[in-house]
Amino acid sequence: RKEVEQDPGPFNVPEGATVAFNCTYSNSASQSFFWYRQDCRKEPKLLMSVYSSGNEDGRFTAQLNRASQYISLLIRDSKLSDSATYLCVVSSTSGTYKYIFGTGTRLKVLA
Amino acid sequence: DVKVTQSSRYLVKRTGEKVFLECVQDMDHENMFWYRQDPGLGLRLIYFSYDVKMKEKGDIPEGYSVSREKKERFSLILESASTNQTSMYLCASSDGLAGSYNEQFFGPGTRLTVL
Repeated sequence: RKEVEQDPGPFNVPEGATVAFNCTYSNSASQSFFWYRQDCRKEPKLLMSVYSSGNEDGRFTAQLNRASQYISLLIRDSKLSDSATYLCVVSSTSGTYKYIFGTGTRLKVLA
Repeated sequence: DVKVTQSSRYLVKRTGEKVFLECVQDMDHENMFWYRQDPGLGLRLIYFSYDVKMKEKGDIPEGYSVSREKKERFSLILESASTNQTSMYLCASSDGLAGSYNEQFFGPGTRLTVL
C-alpha cells in the first residue's frame, strides 16, 4: 500500500463547477499536510497547507480528517486556469526530514 | 522573490557517463532535497540534506550520490548513468523541520535523457 494515495483522474469538469479531491495517508504519525499544484511541465508550487481546523483560501477549501486519515481539497466555481495536477503531500516527525508525495490528481476545467 | 535554480533544463547523456546536476537556493534554507518524477510514480525522494556536509538517503538512493559543500548548493551525481535514470529531476529547499508547516520551494527541474 502506498503511503499517500490519490485518484489520478482526470477529473473533467465544466467552468463554474465544484470539484473535490481526496487523498488518503497510511502513517497515523503524520504531522503536516499540504496541497501542491503542478502545471504541465512546471515545478510543484504550494497551493495551501491543511490544518486540523481546516482552512479556506478564496475558492479553495482544505480539510483534514485524522480519524479516517484523509485530506480533501474542494474547488468552487472552477476556472480554466485551475487546470493542473494537484499533489497531496504528507510529512511526519519520524526523525527524518521527509515529505511524501501522492502521484497527483489531474484536473481539466472545460469551457 | 525566492528562488531555486537548477543548472540545466534539459540534458542528454550516454550510458556510463558521470552526470552532475546542480541546484542553488538563495533563501538560506537549511534543508535541500533531490527528487525524481516519473509518470504514475509521482515524486520520489533520492537524497536530502539538512545541513552543510550532511546527507540522508531517501527512498531511491541507489545509483546516486550527493554533495553539499555550501549551504546554498546541493549537487546530485549519477556515478554511471543508466537508461533507467532517464527522468525529470527536481530540487527543492525548505526551512525548519519536516513535520512542521514549512513550504518546499522547487526548482524548474532538469529533464535528463540517458541514451
